[in-house]
Amino acid sequence: DAGVTQSPTHLIKTRGQQVTLRCSPKSGHDTVSWYQQALGQGPQFIFQYYEEEERQRGNFPDRFSGHQFPNYSSELNVNALLLGDSALYLCASSLWQWSEAFFGQGTRLTVV
Amino acid sequence: QKEVEQDPGPLSVPEGAIVSLNCTYSNSAFQYFMWYRQYSRKGPELLMYTYSSGNKEDGRFTAQVDKSSKYISLFIRDSQPSDSATYLCAMSGPSNAGGTSYGKLTFGQGTILTVHP
Repeated sequence: DAGVTQSPTHLIKTRGQQVTLRCSPKSGHDTVSWYQQALGQGPQFIFQYYEEEERQRGNFPDRFSGHQFPNYSSELNVNALLLGDSALYLCASSLWQWSEAFFGQGTRLTVV
Repeated sequence: QKEVEQDPGPLSVPEGAIVSLNCTYSNSAFQYFMWYRQYSRKGPELLMYTYSSGNKEDGRFTAQVDKSSKYISLFIRDSQPSDSATYLCAMSGPSNAGGTSYGKLTFGQGTILTVHP
């Protein structure tokens, strides 16, 4: 049973560029959440998708947007990248109405 | 003040020691409590998932929740060098919109643990 998979593993982008990160949830899960983890900090909630709609959003600017596809996979898009966007981006999958979440290995984004 | 406070450590113990990791929280709406283990440059791995106050045991790990004090703990018995990692507490409650989603997790900063042989 495949767990949560994310791609790419690492990414280097230039300030001002746009980036798309991808996530496939654990088999049987229908809800995907995205988190940003800065070095030495705990993950911070960005947003959550269920039934192809954003259901909850954390304190992140509109530069952060997402999408969920009919097969439950998801994308995270970040526009106009800033140096401060450099972090580990984590995808978590779960069942709707349940908090037990499983994480992927993350995408390490470096903005230069 | 952060909603979830966790001592970042670092914590260094000898192999075989009992480790105690703790978090406090301020939001009384939190109902679900989790502990994750995160190895360097990896995603968090779910260790324990609890709902009610009390203890839950799984092998060498025991999770303890005290909702009246807003305090949770993770105990690791007979610690091993392979337990060396960052331990994150996380918790969730009903969504702000009053819906039924409990999917937003609020994390502590993480405690760095090193178990030396």
